[in-house]
Amino acid sequence: DADVTQTPRNRITKTGKRIMLECSQTKGHDRMYWYRQDPGLGLRLIYYSFDVKDINKGEISDGYSVSRQAQAKFSLSLESAIPNQTALYFCATSDVGDRGRNEQFFGPGTRLTVL
Amino acid sequence: QQQVKQSPQSLIVQKGGISIINCAYENTAFDYFPWYQQFPGKGPALLIAIRPDVSEKKEGRFTISFNKSAKQFSLHIMDSQPGDSATYFCAANYAGYSTLTFGKGTMLLVSP
Repeated sequence: DADVTQTPRNRITKTGKRIMLECSQTKGHDRMYWYRQDPGLGLRLIYYSFDVKDINKGEISDGYSVSRQAQAKFSLSLESAIPNQTALYFCATSDVGDRGRNEQFFGPGTRLTVL
Repeated sequence: QQQVKQSPQSLIVQKGGISIINCAYENTAFDYFPWYQQFPGKGPALLIAIRPDVSEKKEGRFTISFNKSAKQFSLHIMDSQPGDSATYFCAANYAGYSTLTFGKGTMLLVSP
């Protein structure tokens, strides 16, 4: 079984629609992250959470919101999707006890297309 | 400045050759420098990492060289194989926030 799962894996939606991407992990990690990947732009951090009560904005948080429902669940929402949010989205986790290594474990990604 | 600059954007190497990918950074608050490998349709996965108090780290065919004074680090893949064909990302961990800043990635193709 995968340690970090993302649903859905693929999604096509229309401009203006609200959409939620979900991430679940069985690694027992406290830290969770959402990234988007665009060709030629690498991975950019959207939001991150170090525990259930801690939510932080990343580099490109505008147009996105998140919810940390439990230690194992971290959801990303697009309140009103726009075409330039078409991208590959990754969830990742890391262990606060890894002595500063911050090794992140990534899910398989969600390919989102906004028409 | 949290930017990490990565080059080249793409790279073609013959089987058995050496692949070299370079990264540079400005922020001296970075304290950990990992490289991630991503195959098509998959999420990135940690390949190898180094701390700034070490100048080189080797794991099998993969070596990180780190130049603290120049604020540069590089990934060397010796005896490159077609199975190494993937996208490689360098990254830097920002100590104050425990977040990773990634380079823009290098698409490596190892020709048979």
